[in-house]
Amino acid sequence: DQQVKQNSPSLSVQEGRISILNCDYTNSMFDYFLWYKKYPAEGPTFLISISSIKDKNEDGRFTVFLNKSAKHLSLHIVPSQPGDSAVYFCAASGNAGGTSYGKLTFGQGTILTVHP
Amino acid sequence: EAEVAQSPRYKITEKSQAVAFWCDPISGHATLYWYRQILGQGPELLVQFQDESVVDDSQLPKDRFSAERLKGVDSTLKIQPAELGDSAMYLCASSPGLAGRTQYFGPGTRLTVT
Repeated sequence: DQQVKQNSPSLSVQEGRISILNCDYTNSMFDYFLWYKKYPAEGPTFLISISSIKDKNEDGRFTVFLNKSAKHLSLHIVPSQPGDSAVYFCAASGNAGGTSYGKLTFGQGTILTVHP
Repeated sequence: EAEVAQSPRYKITEKSQAVAFWCDPISGHATLYWYRQILGQGPELLVQFQDESVVDDSQLPKDRFSAERLKGVDSTLKIQPAELGDSAMYLCASSPGLAGRTQYFGPGTRLTVT
């Protein structure tokens, strides 16, 4: 049961253009969403997050959009740079109650390649 | 900038041997997670600690895997005996808990079982 899905295994973009990475989820209990960037043989690096009470969050070149009714989120990178080439994972979590938050459920990842 | 530390970075072991991984979370982070990532997939949670207590170990293969966080700071994940299917990246993450729910990951341990 894949609760978080990234349906595009790869994306190729020209330097300076916009990169749009998409993610869908099925669990309506998820209320916090994150995007991570990962290079081979390294751990995921946190990029940006969004709470379910918002529909947009922006940090520099990165913007995340959340459409709760469609259970869909997207990450926009503008402008794209060759150094952005990596695997991008979306992840979601719900409130586990008490003093802790729940585990992250990850998508399968999208390989982004930005060509000079 | 504070980081999650993990060691070793790489480990090669023969099947049926024991192997252990260590993680030191960001200082002050109450919640610690161990994930396993198989190539081509997203990380999956093995065990979650809140301070020294296990919150979620439902996906931990308890016949061969164990995890501890005795003083509520650093943590050790052990596999005994290792099997070929355990070859993966083992990732540790931490989060502040009530003060914040973003999880920050360490560099991971790449395990190869031969």
